[in-house]
Amino acid sequence: AQKVTQAQTEISVVEKEDVTLDCVYETRDTTYYLFWYKQPPSGELVFLIRRNSFDEQNEISGRYSWNFQKSTSSFNFTITASQVVDSAVYFCALSEGFLNQGGSEKLVFGKGTKLTVNP
Amino acid sequence: NAGVTQTPKFQVLKTGQSMTLQCAQDMNHEYMSWYRQDPGMGLRLIHYSVGAGITDQGEVPNGYNVSRSTTEDFPLRLLSAAPSQTSVYFCASSYGQGLNEQYFGPGTRLTVT
Repeated sequence: AQKVTQAQTEISVVEKEDVTLDCVYETRDTTYYLFWYKQPPSGELVFLIRRNSFDEQNEISGRYSWNFQKSTSSFNFTITASQVVDSAVYFCALSEGFLNQGGSEKLVFGKGTKLTVNP
Repeated sequence: NAGVTQTPKFQVLKTGQSMTLQCAQDMNHEYMSWYRQDPGMGLRLIHYSVGAGITDQGEVPNGYNVSRSTTEDFPLRLLSAAPSQTSVYFCASSYGQGLNEQYFGPGTRLTVT
């Protein structure tokens, strides 16, 4: 069964520090997708990134970067030069396989990491 | 586009009462799903649907029913509310398969006393 582990429950940093949020996943499928979502204090869920299992290239988007390593089943998220507005709960999620290929397409979330960026 | 809408935003129920949480999307998405969010538990999938007339169970389906008669709507029914169902409920939709980015509604905060 698919599983996502975010071992860091809470992280607190000072503004401008770099911070990495860890995500480790488990799956038996060779086709799967990994996601990161952000939930700011206002409560809505915001999509950040999707990465499929066949693309191990790291991705950078402004101050955000993602490191996908199949060898360690990890999909870590780094915020460079953190800002107070980055304070939120961040969720890593995994979706397995295509339905027509026996997959479930169910999205399973980790328990989230609460990031607090202090001024 | 309004995106994914959910009503009501807040609800208080007494144990044993039933109610329906409404979810609608105007993006013509085939895939819709319901999650509940509890402190320290992340989001857990309750039920999902890959198209009109097709639904399936997620991780925590007990005590909830769903139906999908149209592409736009995916209501979640609580049959007999229990305090353990106190939670924040999110509806989501995505284009095509569940493997795509999901668009989430604003959530419904439900309290069962």
